Amino acid sequence: GAGVSQSPSNKVTEKGKDVELRCDPISGHTALYWYRQSLGQGLEFLIYFQGNSAPDKSGLPSDRFSAERTGGSVSTLTIQRTQQEDSAVYLCASSFSSGGASETQYFGPGTRLLVL
Amino acid sequence: AQKVTQAQTEISVVEKEDVTLDCVYETRDTTYYLFWYKQPPSGELVFLIRRNSFDEQNEISGRYSWNFQKSTSSFNFTITASQVVDSAVYFCALSETNSNYQLIWGAGTKLIIKP
Repeated sequence: GAGVSQSPSNKVTEKGKDVELRCDPISGHTALYWYRQSLGQGLEFLIYFQGNSAPDKSGLPSDRFSAERTGGSVSTLTIQRTQQEDSAVYLCASSFSSGGASETQYFGPGTRLLVL
Repeated sequence: AQKVTQAQTEISVVEKEDVTLDCVYETRDTTYYLFWYKQPPSGELVFLIRRNSFDEQNEISGRYSWNFQKSTSSFNFTITASQVVDSAVYFCALSETNSNYQLIWGAGTKLIIKP
């Protein structure tokens, strides 16, 4: 079956513009995660969605970042008034059920964001 | 303090050599899970293995093997007869029961396999 898909694969934008990044999880997966990976760095947790529960937004770095998940499937990560430090790879992952400790997260190919 | 330590920032070996990537973790949970992921130059994180804290059996999958030792809090990954296609960044991660879904990531080890 299809894996996690993300679009666009690459995005170049000017400082101050808004961007939207999309994630389509594996069909049937109820948990969805967003991460950020800066060049040569590890993964930074951003936000977690589980079913219809309120998302865990504890990792969002500022109020310029927001995310939605419509219909329990596709998610959109929005960055408003982008800054150069937002340049990174944004990775989306999904897992099958409750997102518990045992769940394996499967990752998409990422969106490479460059803010000029 | 780091909960998942991958002390080797970068390893470079010649093709066909064996190589071991170290992962040391720290947790107070009795039930936890350890993961290894591979990130090739294309950027996508590829799941390799998940191991729970009650299963200390070593695992082998082709040229890959994992050595889990609770006594030393280590979950090391060995590639036998390395190939150029093994070149990637490898991440070790920990999932604690108390933290539910959050993965705690190591900093990654960049593995370079020279032809």
